[in-house]
Amino acid sequence: GAVVSQHPSWVICKSGTSVKIECRSLDFQATTMFWYRQFPKQSLMLMATSNEGSKATYEQGVEKDKFLINHASLTLSTLTVTSAHPEDSSFYICSALRRELADTQYFGPGTRLTVL
Amino acid sequence: SQQGEEDPQALSIQEGENATMNCSYKTSINNLQWYRQNSGRGLVHLILIRSNEREKHSGRLRVTLDTSKKSSSLLITASRAADTASYFCATGGNQGGKLIFGQGTELSVKP
Repeated sequence: GAVVSQHPSWVICKSGTSVKIECRSLDFQATTMFWYRQFPKQSLMLMATSNEGSKATYEQGVEKDKFLINHASLTLSTLTVTSAHPEDSSFYICSALRRELADTQYFGPGTRLTVL
Repeated sequence: SQQGEEDPQALSIQEGENATMNCSYKTSINNLQWYRQNSGRGLVHLILIRSNEREKHSGRLRVTLDTSKKSSSLLITASRAADTASYFCATGGNQGGKLIFGQGTELSVKP
């Protein structure tokens, strides 16, 4: 099966600092990765679509300067939460689209961000 | 924005019973997928049904799709305590693989 990892699995930081979350597809190449945000007891909200070698496409209402996305290779996308504030505390999940199975997204285990 | 709604929001059943969850969506789709999420964890892909399919089976899972009503259902037969999780439907269109998730159903299976 396809495996997607995220690092770190959890992070606690002070308000005003920046946090980088990595998403890696371990055994396949992913031209497209997605970043989601999930609040407790709620569904996943798509934040942005990350395409290898090009700029990310952000969903309406998501600040691109706040949530920096870089998709530098076919197996790695990063999300940086800049100048984090308590309201940014959430569960961030990435997924990777497998080229040969274009309809199926494989999800990472998520990263729990807590901003104090 | 969320694509649609799922009902019920929460479902509590006894082990051995069947669990049915419903999902409705608003726009035309290419496929509909069901995912499972254990508390605080990532999502596990359960099953994908394409817009030209009406029913699909995978083990104890049965998914139906009615594109005329823009709805889908997930049936878990002979449920087990280990099936306790949140279940989400997600619709895929022709937008580069983007998925839009429903609100989810929280299933609790009591031993």
